[in-house]
Amino acid sequence: DGGITQSPKYLFRKEGQNVTLSCEQNLNHDAMYWYRQDPGQGLRLIYYSQIVNDFQKGDIAEGYSVSREKKESFPLTVTSAQKNPTAFYLCASSGGPTGNQPQHFGDGTRLSIL
Amino acid sequence: KQEVTQIPAALSVPEGENLVLNCSFTDSAIYNLQWFRQDPGKGLTSLLLIQSSQREQTSGRLNASLDKSSGRSTLYIAASQPGDSATYLCAVRPEGGKLIFGQGTELSVKP
Repeated sequence: DGGITQSPKYLFRKEGQNVTLSCEQNLNHDAMYWYRQDPGQGLRLIYYSQIVNDFQKGDIAEGYSVSREKKESFPLTVTSAQKNPTAFYLCASSGGPTGNQPQHFGDGTRLSIL
Repeated sequence: KQEVTQIPAALSVPEGENLVLNCSFTDSAIYNLQWFRQDPGKGLTSLLLIQSSQREQTSGRLNASLDKSSGRSTLYIAASQPGDSATYLCAVRPEGGKLIFGQGTELSVKP
């Protein structure tokens, strides 16, 4: 089955710790995205990548970092500089020329502070 | 700056009722609009995508319309079922830009 796999489903971070969220897709999509979802708010874009070895900041990139070394993988690191990391994190991908194909989402990772 | 609004924030209807969810956006220069469904604690499932040149899209009991000039889209759900209970989000893609999401409408369909 083609799809997007996010792991882990739940993650806990200690003070001063960096944590990495995994996102893997087998849809052969070029573009991948990371969003953050907070209660009562819509999704906000953290980072996106339209091609391997290239990525751009979204609206709330501060305190986060990404890499795109392989087409299938787009891991997100939540650094200790992100002071309010508790949220639901969603990874998405899309294929085709930029923007004209629907985005497909993983099942998310819920990050909490210990 | 593009803003997307969904009203109401929550809606409760009896089973079998036809219903309409609303999405409005402030800038008509969009590339496409997408409707999603989100179940509690889950990711988003794409329902329908309407390109800027289209007026509507249909999938089963769902019909989405787009009126760019007035900055509005509606999602029509026919003969609602308890399994339709979820949060529905719309998102617009500005020309050359990234998806901008509304805050969603939480739908509850009562048996």
